[in-house]
Amino acid sequence: DADVTQTPRNRITKTGKRIMLECSQTKGHDRMYWYRQDPGLGLRLIYYSFDVKDINKGEISDGYSVSRQAQAKFSLSLESAIPNQTALYFCATSDNLGAGAATDTQYFGPGTRLTVL
Amino acid sequence: GQQVMQIPQYQHVQEGEDFTTYCNSSTTLSNIQWYKQRPGGHPVFLIQLVKSGEVKKQKRLTFQFGEAKKNSSLHITATQTTDVGTYFCAGPAYSGAGSYQLTFGKGTKLSVIP
Repeated sequence: DADVTQTPRNRITKTGKRIMLECSQTKGHDRMYWYRQDPGLGLRLIYYSFDVKDINKGEISDGYSVSRQAQAKFSLSLESAIPNQTALYFCATSDNLGAGAATDTQYFGPGTRLTVL
Repeated sequence: GQQVMQIPQYQHVQEGEDFTTYCNSSTTLSNIQWYKQRPGGHPVFLIQLVKSGEVKKQKRLTFQFGEAKKNSSLHITATQTTDVGTYFCAGPAYSGAGSYQLTFGKGTKLSVIP
């Protein structure tokens, strides 16, 4: 969805380096998410944020941190990258329709392919 | 935590054949969503099912939600090469502090042989 953008689209880095992946959205949604996709493992939630002051850990938050700089921006950081963090990373947004986040439709960005050597 | 199990992991079909992927949960789901991810692309929302026994159709795609709301299926009639991709189901899972988040199955990767 062109309303959700991610930068960079591809990144190769070395073990121990600090990496930041950025996500921006023009959908006006309050809720934003970071997922990781590995072959055969589906999409796993890393962190999510329901508004600028709300940050929550997901299923696999160890080794990651996030920052919600504004309603439209949600960044994911790897403080010290390791090879098993090589994966495809997706940012997603959803609108708060009042029925609970688990019923929201999620809109995904194009993804960032990260390789840690 | 609660998971949604999806089978099969892979499916290869001849163009024109039908295809079905199944999603199962050990607990009752309030709703289930389906997404499609084309090769090299990102997941795109297809549909959400909420009611017990619900059946929804989108052209050649038929989505069903089980009577007990513990399983769901996606059936594609007469597959075409444009159907190629990975299909994910997603259901709510408890994430603590009274919050439920969407949890994705591992997906079924569909290949269509022309």
